[in-house]
Amino acid sequence: EPEVTQTPSHQVTQMGQEVILRCVPISNHLYFYWYRQILGQKVEFLVSFYNNEISEKSEIFDDQFSVERPDGSNFTLKIRSTKLEDSAMYFCASIQGADGYTFGSGTRLTVV
Amino acid sequence: GDSVTQMEGPVTLSEEAFLTINCTYTATGYPSLFWYVQYPGEGLQLLLKATKADDKGSNKGFEATYRKETTSFHLEKGSVQVSDSAVYFCALSPRTSGTYKYIFGTGTRLKVLA
Repeated sequence: EPEVTQTPSHQVTQMGQEVILRCVPISNHLYFYWYRQILGQKVEFLVSFYNNEISEKSEIFDDQFSVERPDGSNFTLKIRSTKLEDSAMYFCASIQGADGYTFGSGTRLTVV
Repeated sequence: GDSVTQMEGPVTLSEEAFLTINCTYTATGYPSLFWYVQYPGEGLQLLLKATKADDKGSNKGFEATYRKETTSFHLEKGSVQVSDSAVYFCALSPRTSGTYKYIFGTGTRLKVLA
């Protein structure tokens, strides 16, 4: 069964550093997403991406965040200057239509 | 705005017990509804879905019926197993969102004892 692949599975970074989280969505999917889950809390929408541009973003997705699809397969989330409160599990997801997301297994980001 | 409310956990059951996890929603129009499951240390997996009123989603012995009149999508299973121990998330995708954005509930942790 097709999968969404995320790397790395765990990233530790110092406060103020830039991080890039990587995702390879399912190849024929059209919509791509990033969500985050702070430990023990709800899953929160960050951003959706369609046709090579952001289609919707949440209040969480401020100027410190950016997304890119640099080639035909990768989809990245960059956090420019990490804060302690950015520590969370970050999930990438993709979808072709209304069938339901396929999520990646997540990247655990720890900011120290 | 749109929202999803799930029952507080944790829910602790003995093996073979009946499971209900309540989920109600607030949304404009007719959203699609989903249940996702998260096993320890893993990502979110789609468990079942329903896209219109009175639809019943089912998978792996779990069921949920889209009830428009009560704005609910309760998850049920007739006989739980230890392997069902996980966190269960109810989610909706608003029809008004052209981006298929999801709104998740807070999750309900289920623990099944042998």
